[in-house]
Amino acid sequence: KAGVTQTPRYLIKTRGQQVTLSCSPISGHRSVSWYQQTPGQGLQFLFEYFSETQRNKGNFPGRFSGRQFSNSRSEMNVSTLELGDSALYLCASSLGDYTDTQYFGPGTRLTVL
Amino acid sequence: AQSVTQPDIHITVSEGASLELRCNYSYGATPYLFWYVQSPGQGLQLLLKYFSGDTLVQGIKGFEAEFKRSQSSFNLRKPSVHWSDAAEYFCAVAAGYSGGGADGLTFGKGTHLIIQP
Repeated sequence: KAGVTQTPRYLIKTRGQQVTLSCSPISGHRSVSWYQQTPGQGLQFLFEYFSETQRNKGNFPGRFSGRQFSNSRSEMNVSTLELGDSALYLCASSLGDYTDTQYFGPGTRLTVL
Repeated sequence: AQSVTQPDIHITVSEGASLELRCNYSYGATPYLFWYVQSPGQGLQLLLKYFSGDTLVQGIKGFEAEFKRSQSSFNLRKPSVHWSDAAEYFCAVAAGYSGGGADGLTFGKGTHLIIQP
């Protein structure tokens, strides 16, 4: 079974631009969660989608948004990029219950200049 | 709100020596606990998880962890480390639902494991 895939793997943007990251979950998984990883703040939960609905959101500004498609693929969008948005963005998929194991993708490394 | 503390930012162990990585959690209800490992440039890989039952859980790559409710701890152990174990290790707790959805995993800051030859 193929794992979680994320595209692109690396991205360089400038302040003020917007960016869209993509995540394809493991086949059969209906939940996709997004995390931001930075050296200072560590791993922080962004939001979780299940069956095309956002079920919960972490403590991030509205510039961070996402969506999920009917095939469970998910996209994350960051508008008006700031230098502090430079991070590794990880997505994880699971069957859907919060106790289910989350399987992580390799991440997208975003650099904002 | 739940929290996870990994007291050791870096740990250096000689190859072949035993290893223990510490993890303390704060959570009001029954915790669902995980240990993940992250190699440079990679995503996170699940080592093991604890939901209930036997407090000593076995994982992949020869790792085990022991849940101690009285100490709010979930320490990761390995009897003999290999150079390939050098990586970043994260302890995490799964919170319950709020607002109809999962709160996501709450991670500790991680422990960077260095293996000396």
